[in-house]
Amino acid sequence: DAKTTQPNSMESNEEEPVHLPCNHSTISGTDYIHWYRQLPSQGPEYVIHGLTSNVNNRMASLAIAEDRKSSTLILHRATLRDAAVYYCTGGNMLTFGGGTRLMVKP
Amino acid sequence: DAGVTQSPTHLIKTRGQQVTLRCSPISGHKSVSWYQQVLGQGPQFIFQYYEKEERGRGNFPDRFSARQFPNYSSELNVNALLLGDSALYLCASSLEPRQLQSPLHFGNGTRLTVT
Repeated sequence: DAKTTQPNSMESNEEEPVHLPCNHSTISGTDYIHWYRQLPSQGPEYVIHGLTSNVNNRMASLAIAEDRKSSTLILHRATLRDAAVYYCTGGNMLTFGGGTRLMVKP
Repeated sequence: DAGVTQSPTHLIKTRGQQVTLRCSPISGHKSVSWYQQVLGQGPQFIFQYYEKEERGRGNFPDRFSARQFPNYSSELNVNALLLGDSALYLCASSLEPRQLQSPLHFGNGTRLTVT
């Protein structure tokens, strides 16, 4: 499985963009990169996933490096409801690291 | 459509006892995975089942076992409970056993406390 590395925590101001980085240098060529987020007292929630190209959906954008060893989750305008722990996963997606705790300041 | 449902939501057991946790996947999903999440850490993979067969197992002792039924629901059993088994147990379902294009959909978990 791909090992992922993320910063422990990040802080953002409300309505500003947030870029959450993830390193996944051991990911194989056919494995998708997935992002999830977890709010307190809830299970993780799917955010976005991609293979090689950048991806956009209603929640976020995913920018994948050309060598696929890293990716960045982009929240275009952070809201207070985006405060959560964000996990990136790769490989069989059976391995979750410690994630990044995002704090959003009003 | 109903999401992944887990029961019970909370459970308190005593050391040495046995526990069974249940999970119903999203309709149409044939793969179920189980995770253990200790407070402050990310989910740790325990098992994955697809079409009633075990497709993967994490680094957990044999006290942990699981099965998947013909309707794709699943049970996780833990025997001889230890204090360290106290955690949030998460179930996730997906269309495929490998998360190629289909993401995981998680339930809200069962909070197990072992005293």
